[in-house]
Amino acid sequence: DGGITQSPKYLFRKEGQNVTLSCEQNLNHDAMYWYRQDPGQGLRLIYYSQIVNDFQKGDIAEGYSVSREKKESFPLTVTSAQKNPTAFYLCASSTRAGGPYNEQFFGPGTRLTVL
Amino acid sequence: GEDVEQSLFLSVREGDSSVINCTYTDSSSTYLYWYKQEPGAGLQLLTYIFSNMDMKQDQRLTVLLNKKDKHLSLRIADTQTGDSAIYFCAEKENSGYSTLTFGKGTMLLVSP
Repeated sequence: DGGITQSPKYLFRKEGQNVTLSCEQNLNHDAMYWYRQDPGQGLRLIYYSQIVNDFQKGDIAEGYSVSREKKESFPLTVTSAQKNPTAFYLCASSTRAGGPYNEQFFGPGTRLTVL
Repeated sequence: GEDVEQSLFLSVREGDSSVINCTYTDSSSTYLYWYKQEPGAGLQLLTYIFSNMDMKQDQRLTVLLNKKDKHLSLRIADTQTGDSAIYFCAEKENSGYSTLTFGKGTMLLVSP
């Protein structure tokens, strides 16, 4: 059963701690993405990766870091430098980032709350 | 840069038609998408339209594209309470490895 998994669904952390959100896909997709969703703000792109060992900053990359060591995995670390980390985080993947058609498949999301 | 605008809220009665509107600024957009998000969940692709089309119909969903005005709409016929969700419009720029640009989403509330 192919898809994208994100874990955990809910995450609580103390202020000043780094936290890593997991994203795994078994769709054999080359491209993967991280979005942040805040109420009334829609989706904002944090980072994306078109291929293993390569990634690019999105619109709001400050305070976040990513790695892409395996095709299936694209973990996101929310660092203590992120000023307002409480949000709903969505991971997505697609066959590739380029080309005219780019259907993105989304995971169920992780809600991060920093106390 | 690209910008995608949507109205934030729409309320309809069950059985009525819903029309969700979206405007975009990038004239080089190739594909335009509608995604649905139920509470606490990820986004699910509902439908898409290629920029050289004017209309696309898929069961209860009709997408209309007015390229001149850069206006996209999603019509849901016979709206059901299960259609209550946030609907996102997104566009794909036709330039190399560009990513999707999403609107802020329209919350559709369907009352019995």
